Formats: sequence, C-alpha cells, structure tokens
Amino acid sequence: QKEVEQNSGPLSVPEGAIASLNCTYSDRGSQSFFWYRQYSGKSPELIMFIYSNGDKEDGRFTAQLNKASQYVSLLIRDSQPSDSATYLCAVADWGGAQKLVFGQGTRLTINP
Amino acid sequence: GAVVSQHPSWVICKSGTSVKIECRSLDFQATTMFWYRQFPKQSLMLMATSNEGSKATYEQGVEKDKFLINHASLTLSTLTVTSAHPEDSSFYICSARSFSGTSGSYEQYFGPGTRLTVT
Repeated sequence: QKEVEQNSGPLSVPEGAIASLNCTYSDRGSQSFFWYRQYSGKSPELIMFIYSNGDKEDGRFTAQLNKASQYVSLLIRDSQPSDSATYLCAVADWGGAQKLVFGQGTRLTINP
Repeated sequence: GAVVSQHPSWVICKSGTSVKIECRSLDFQATTMFWYRQFPKQSLMLMATSNEGSKATYEQGVEKDKFLINHASLTLSTLTVTSAHPEDSSFYICSARSFSGTSGSYEQYFGPGTRLTVT
C-alpha cells in the first residue's frame, strides 16, 4: 500500500510568521510531488510542484524535497489569514500507478 | 496553470433519476482525466481514471454501472450518475492531467467541482 502521511493538524500560525507543512511518502519510485490548497467547500488548487531534490521557490511558497528521506515540505512565508485552508500533499509515480496518491491533508489556520 | 471547468456547479435531482456532469480542459488536451468524490470533512476519494478513447479504470468498490464515464475527446470527459439515490449526494470533482514541456512531467489540475444533492 503506497502511503502519503501528513499531520492532520490543525496547525495554528500567527499572521506574518512562517507556516511549515510536512509530508512523508512510502513509495521510493515516486517522481513528482505536489502541494494543493483546498478551501472549505471548494476543489483543490495546485500551488506548487517539485520533481528534483532541493528547494523550489514561488513567491511566498517554498517546496522542499528530500528523496533519500522520502520527505517533502511546504513553507509559507509571511502567512496571511487568506492562507487558512487545508493543504494536501500528493505524490505520483506517473510511470507506474499513473495516479496521484494524496495525504489526508493538514488544516492550517493563520491567526490575525 | 491549466484550466479545467465543470458543469453544472451544483445540481439537485430526485431519487431514481440520472445526472450527467461534464469536465472540460479549456487550454490543453488531456488524454487522462480523473473523477473524485468528496464527502464533507473527508478526504478526496478517487473514483475512476478516464482515458480518451478507451474504457475508464474504476477504483475498487466503485460501481462502474452506476457511475458511467465517457472520455470521448481530448478535452471532454463526462460522469453520469445513474439511478441516483440520496447516498450519492456528494461533491464530485474532476481533474485533468497536463504534460508540461518545461518540467518534462505531468501536472494535475482540478475542476471547480459539482455539488450533487439527491432528494
């Protein structure tokens, strides 16, 4: 059973601070890693993807990947109340199972 | 990013009737689309993988005769919930896979979802 694990939270962070979201995965064959944001009652929105070890930055978001440790994280700098949502980590082995495996999501709350 | 649309955004139907939901990739061609279902406060559940020009692959426990999927073109997949019952009431979300020449890999984008209520 290929698994993706996330801390379900809730994770509470003060406005302006850095929010750190973590994810581990079991399938060493995984090649593509995604972070989605899902607001309550809405569908998931792709905010970051990463394929290579190291860091990838996009605005206030930084994704970090360590394939040796099977670990991927998302940092949100200067957190805003609008960042409050559930963050889903998803992992894919497009050459294998051909589908995303999702974690259960981490609920993030940014406190003004 | 790529844009995926769904129609309708919400639908109310009577028990025993059928409902069709459309999923379109607006600015890219999607050989593969996915259909998910999500109940309140629960995780996404993959129902089936839809491949253009071939039969859909259903996840274990999903009734293929109840949830009919047709992926007739590279930009359109449809999900028909047949003989709907109140327990089928849920948030149905489609997703399309897009190949990125920049990254050399696939990225997956979600439609806005369809909220189905069966009375």
